[in-house]
Amino acid sequence: DTAVSQTPKYLVTQMGNDKSIKCEQNLGHDTMYWYKQDSKKFLKIMFSYNNKELIINETVPNRFSPKSPDKAHLNLHINSLELGDSAVYFCASSQGRGQETIYSNQPQHFGDGTRLSIL
Amino acid sequence: AQSVAQPEDQVNVAEGNPLTVKCTYSVSGNPYLFWYVQYPNRGLQFLLKYITGDNLVKGSYGFEAEFNKSQTSFHLKKPSALVSDSALYFCAVRDMGTGGFKTIFGAGTRLFVKA
Repeated sequence: DTAVSQTPKYLVTQMGNDKSIKCEQNLGHDTMYWYKQDSKKFLKIMFSYNNKELIINETVPNRFSPKSPDKAHLNLHINSLELGDSAVYFCASSQGRGQETIYSNQPQHFGDGTRLSIL
Repeated sequence: AQSVAQPEDQVNVAEGNPLTVKCTYSVSGNPYLFWYVQYPNRGLQFLLKYITGDNLVKGSYGFEAEFNKSQTSFHLKKPSALVSDSALYFCAVRDMGTGGFKTIFGAGTRLFVKA
């Protein structure tokens, strides 16, 4: 049973295209995240959603738009792809509401990533 | 803002020897500290966390970490390394930002265990 699953695993496309990455978690978690891992393996949060509501939006270009149809799904749509968007994108989830202190010590569960390559 | 630093890009150790992967933190208030491991082409996996209580925290796969408040460190340790421990290790701290808690990750330390 895959707890956090992302599709596709690999995405190769050309500059200027629009693409989407899907994420689903079956852990019953309330909070989901998108991270970007660059070529040097540095990991940075992009977005966090709690029960379909956006709660964290880091400095990310407007070309990136997350969408959460329900608390088990968090998709990422990217418009007008650029060379600098090439990276591995990870979805993650954690228990509880993102703003509640009692849940602040809960670990995150990660998907296996989507490797995005822009030609 | 909270932050963590992993001073070593890479750690090399022989199988059977003890290993240490270093992490130092900078926080205001009580720190919530984590260690994660990433194997090739996989997502991060949670190893252990420190919230409060005992300074020595035990986690998955025989790993443990020692919280040292005076040195602001949270080093990851294992008494006897295995080749299969070779992976990328991330130290992380929970930070309360605008809108909610988020996890700040260190730059990662690559561990090589030689047979």
